[in-house]
Amino acid sequence: GAVVSQHPSWVICKSGTSVKIECRSLDFQATTMFWYRQFPKQSLMLMATSNEGSKATYEQGVEKDKFLINHASLTLSTLTVTSAHPEDSSFYICSAGTKGVHNEQFFGPGTRLTVL
Amino acid sequence: AQRVTQPEKLLSVFKGAPVELKCNYSYSGSPELFWYVQYSRQRLQLLLRHISRESIKGFTADLNKGETSFHLKKPFAQEEDSAMYYCALSGVGYSTLTFGKGTMLLVSP
Repeated sequence: GAVVSQHPSWVICKSGTSVKIECRSLDFQATTMFWYRQFPKQSLMLMATSNEGSKATYEQGVEKDKFLINHASLTLSTLTVTSAHPEDSSFYICSAGTKGVHNEQFFGPGTRLTVL
Repeated sequence: AQRVTQPEKLLSVFKGAPVELKCNYSYSGSPELFWYVQYSRQRLQLLLRHISRESIKGFTADLNKGETSFHLKKPFAQEEDSAMYYCALSGVGYSTLTFGKGTMLLVSP
């Protein structure tokens, strides 16, 4: 089946620094990738949708200058949390979708970000 | 606006008992409905979708457009069914998913 990886699986950083999270589709080409945020014991909140080679579409309330998304290839999307603060601490999950598999998304294992 | 409601945060049943996880949705067009499952320390994975009309791991779900519901059912729960279950919706032809808040299913021996 389709596999999506994320790196790193967890990261601790100091307040004010930037953190980059990678999302890769390992055995398929992902035309669309999604970034979610999940707070403890809560549901996934879609942050943005990115299509390869174009700008990401951000959901309402998500700061695009704070959460930079780059989808440079059909197998890689990155989320950079810029000038991270403790309130950015969360579980970030990416998913990837393909053409021909209607509306199915394959999820990565998630990245736990802790900002001190 | 589209919305998915899962009214129960937690559903606790004994092994062998029937299970029904409720999901109601709000969407103005033609929806596609999904159930995703997240087992402990594992990633989110697709359990089933309404267009497939299939049974996965004994679970079934029927889309009821009149009641705008997509409840997940299993006649006899197993301990290994314990997990977090998310109902999700997208519009036909769209790839974006809207998730419900999830229901934790606990199956006790």
